[in-house]
Amino acid sequence: QVQLQESGPGLVKPSQTLSLTCTVSGGSISSGSYYWSWIRQPAGKGLEWIGRIYTSGSTNYNPSLKSRVTISVDTSKNQFSLKLSSVTAADTAVYYCARVVVPASPFDPWGQGTLVTVSS
Amino acid sequence: EIVLTQSPGTLSLSPGERATLSCRASQSVSSSYLAWYQQKPGQAPRLLIYGASSRATGIPDRFSGSGSGTDFTLTISRLEPEDFAVYYCQQYGSSTGTFGQGTKVEIK
Repeated sequence: QVQLQESGPGLVKPSQTLSLTCTVSGGSISSGSYYWSWIRQPAGKGLEWIGRIYTSGSTNYNPSLKSRVTISVDTSKNQFSLKLSSVTAADTAVYYCARVVVPASPFDPWGQGTLVTVSS
Repeated sequence: EIVLTQSPGTLSLSPGERATLSCRASQSVSSSYLAWYQQKPGQAPRLLIYGASSRATGIPDRFSGSGSGTDFTLTISRLEPEDFAVYYCQQYGSSTGTFGQGTKVEIK
């Protein structure tokens, strides 16, 4: 059974780059046809899709974040990563990674989430 | 981009009662690519329903989904104490996978 686990700094300074990694266990990130996705949730608010990467490396991003987001995959480590540049307090949220089956499926499974706070 | 609007924002009910949650899309959701998730405090969302009406693995049959096109419904036939949570709908027919804003089901 595939499991996902987010990791990365819990505190990032304003204007800096937020960097998170999602480690996939219980299966190879490069086997099968999957999109590996990032989603975030500010405290007390709803869910916002950030973007996704296919195992080939092709990406799709939320238009509202596209200019600041980069998602990459490292098949040798069975991980994919999120970088969000020029962060502000509005980027403070719990960040989740999740899997989607190509061509279309709901997000399942999800990682447990990691809180990232943007503050000086 | 497809916008999903959930109603009501909050539903106050007692255990044993029936809960009916609505999700309306700004345009037709292709192939009924509509999912429902349950989220409890401090936890990641859990998939309940996919394809508008199919229950995910391990989901009790008191949860049911229906609808097509732009109007979708999640019904919980008899609320159990563990069902009080926030519920989100999500469309996955487009690449952006947008979510509704959520409906909180709280104990009356």
